[in-house]
Amino acid sequence: DAKTTQPNSMESNEEEPVHLPCNHSTISGTDYIHWYRQLPSQGPEYVIHGLTSNVNNRMASLAIAEDRKSSTLILHRATLRDAAVYYCILRDRGGGSNYKLTFGKGTLLTVNP
Amino acid sequence: GAGVSQTPSNKVTEKGKYVELRCDPISGHTALYWYRQSLGQGPEFLIYFQGTGAADDSGLPNDRFFAVRPEGSVSTLKIQRTERGDSAVYLCASSLGPASGSYEQYFGPGTRLTVT
Repeated sequence: DAKTTQPNSMESNEEEPVHLPCNHSTISGTDYIHWYRQLPSQGPEYVIHGLTSNVNNRMASLAIAEDRKSSTLILHRATLRDAAVYYCILRDRGGGSNYKLTFGKGTLLTVNP
Repeated sequence: GAGVSQTPSNKVTEKGKYVELRCDPISGHTALYWYRQSLGQGPEFLIYFQGTGAADDSGLPNDRFFAVRPEGSVSTLKIQRTERGDSAVYLCASSLGPASGSYEQYFGPGTRLTVT
């Protein structure tokens, strides 16, 4: 599986935007970029995914670099409930029916009131 | 609607004992995954079911671990002769499956297993 690199931790203030970076320099043409987050004492939760174009949903935006070697998850206005570990994951579109996820250590986001 | 549920939420067992962990996926989800998460690490894939069959069990660490999904819904992860190194949170996830074109996995809250 292609590897992703994320900062171990980041801090933000409530009501401010947060940009969570992810490097994936060995990404292949068939890899989707997925983001999940894990709140304390809970299972991971899907946030967003994309292939080439930027994506928006009710939770966040995903900005993908033109060469696809990096991406950024954007939380437009952080709240205390956004404090979590955020995982950037590459999943092979050509992996048959098995969509297993390969998690790294993720980025621990702290949101200050 | 109901999400993925896992029972028990906590399990403490002695080294060498046998344990079973249960997962109830979201109704209608044909794909089911088991992951294991150690303290400070991201979840690690164990096994994937599509329907009743284990399509990929490459993540099971050894033959003490086994999982079943006999009717294509509920799944049980079975661990024989437990070791202290098996202590972790065991997570179950389900998804609609490949035909749906949906990639989102829905995770349960996990079972925290402690082997003493």
